Amino acid sequence: DGGITQSPKYLFRKEGQNVTLSCEQNLNHDAMYWYRQDPGQGLRLIYYSQIVNDFQKGDIAEGYSVSREKKESFPLTVTSAQKNPTAFYLCASSPGQYPNYGYTFGSGTRLTVV
Amino acid sequence: AQSVAQPEDQVNVAEGNPLTVKCTYSVSGNPYLFWYVQYPNRGLQFLLKYITGDNLVKGSYGFEAEFNKSQTSFHLKKPSALVSDSALYFCAVNNNDMRFGAGTRLTVKP
Repeated sequence: DGGITQSPKYLFRKEGQNVTLSCEQNLNHDAMYWYRQDPGQGLRLIYYSQIVNDFQKGDIAEGYSVSREKKESFPLTVTSAQKNPTAFYLCASSPGQYPNYGYTFGSGTRLTVV
Repeated sequence: AQSVAQPEDQVNVAEGNPLTVKCTYSVSGNPYLFWYVQYPNRGLQFLLKYITGDNLVKGSYGFEAEFNKSQTSFHLKKPSALVSDSALYFCAVNNNDMRFGAGTRLTVKP
């Protein structure tokens, strides 16, 4: 079945540590997105990529980094510069940048700072 | 700038009663509007979308939504709620990227 796979499901980070969240899709979608979800705040866009080897900052990119070396993969690194990383992270993809396309979401990664 | 607002944090209904989850939008140009549902510790699932045409859009699991241009609203509705409909619902507007409301938690009680 086609879809988006996020791993791990749960992740624990120590203070000052970088961690990388994986996102892989087999939908042949061009565009991929990372969102952060906090209670009562909905989803906030971190980064997005509309094509391989190109990506754009979203609303809350500080303390995060991404890469898009392959069409299928869009990993997110949460760096030590992100002071409040505890949240639920969602990866999504769409066929392209046209607004009539909906997004397909992964099941999310819950990151906790310990 | 584009945005959506969901004025209710929580909606409670009894099983079998109709439900409405409200959404208003602000966008320049044509609105491309979506509803998604999220179950605990899961990603968002697509319910329905409005692109153009008929103002009443039918979607998954018996849900429908009514687009009202004059009121800039896109309320989600279902004629008869089920306990299994209890979840977090997000309205979204898509222009260059998808913008989500803060979400409305729907609780359907037996």
